[in-house]
Amino acid sequence: KAGVTQTPRYLIKTRGQQVTLSCSPISGHRSVSWYQQTPGQGLQFLFEYFSETQRNKGNFPGRFSGRQFSNSRSEMNVSTLELGDSALYLCASSLGTGAEQFFGPGTRLTVL
Amino acid sequence: ELKVEQNPLFLSMQEGKNYTIYCNYSTTSDRLYWYRQDPGKSLESLFVLLSNGAVKQEGRLMASLDTKARLSTLHITAAVHDLSATYFCAVDSDKLIFGTGTRLQVFP
Repeated sequence: KAGVTQTPRYLIKTRGQQVTLSCSPISGHRSVSWYQQTPGQGLQFLFEYFSETQRNKGNFPGRFSGRQFSNSRSEMNVSTLELGDSALYLCASSLGTGAEQFFGPGTRLTVL
Repeated sequence: ELKVEQNPLFLSMQEGKNYTIYCNYSTTSDRLYWYRQDPGKSLESLFVLLSNGAVKQEGRLMASLDTKARLSTLHITAAVHDLSATYFCAVDSDKLIFGTGTRLQVFP
């Protein structure tokens, strides 16, 4: 069974630009969660989607948004990038709420 | 708001020694996870602890959960260099809340 995949793996952007990251969950998983990992703040929850609906959201500004498609693939978008958005963005999929989450390889975003 | 505290933050230990990493959390939860992360890599699931008193072992690692004390431990037995990594606990509270991580370095 294929694991969670994320694209791209690495990304370099400049301040003010926007970026879209993609996550394909494990086949059959309908829940996708996103996390941001930085050296200063650690691992923080961004949001969770289940069956195309956002069911939970972390404490991030509105510049961070996401969506989920009917095939459970998910994208997250960050607009007006700031230097502090440089991070490893991890996507995790699960069968549903409360089920074990399986993490993808992550997307390393660098904002210059 | 749920808080998850891990200690120690850094752990440098000699091969062959034993040590325990502690994970305390502030509100009731009966689902706790331990992950390993190698530098520049993603999170690898180590243990899923789903009930009070749960104990799981894999190789030189053993994890336990005491929901009444809101405490989980990750015990390392006879450490080897390959265990060098950062270890995170995470509490499931409708979303995963991660601890700060423990950076483990095992030296000869």
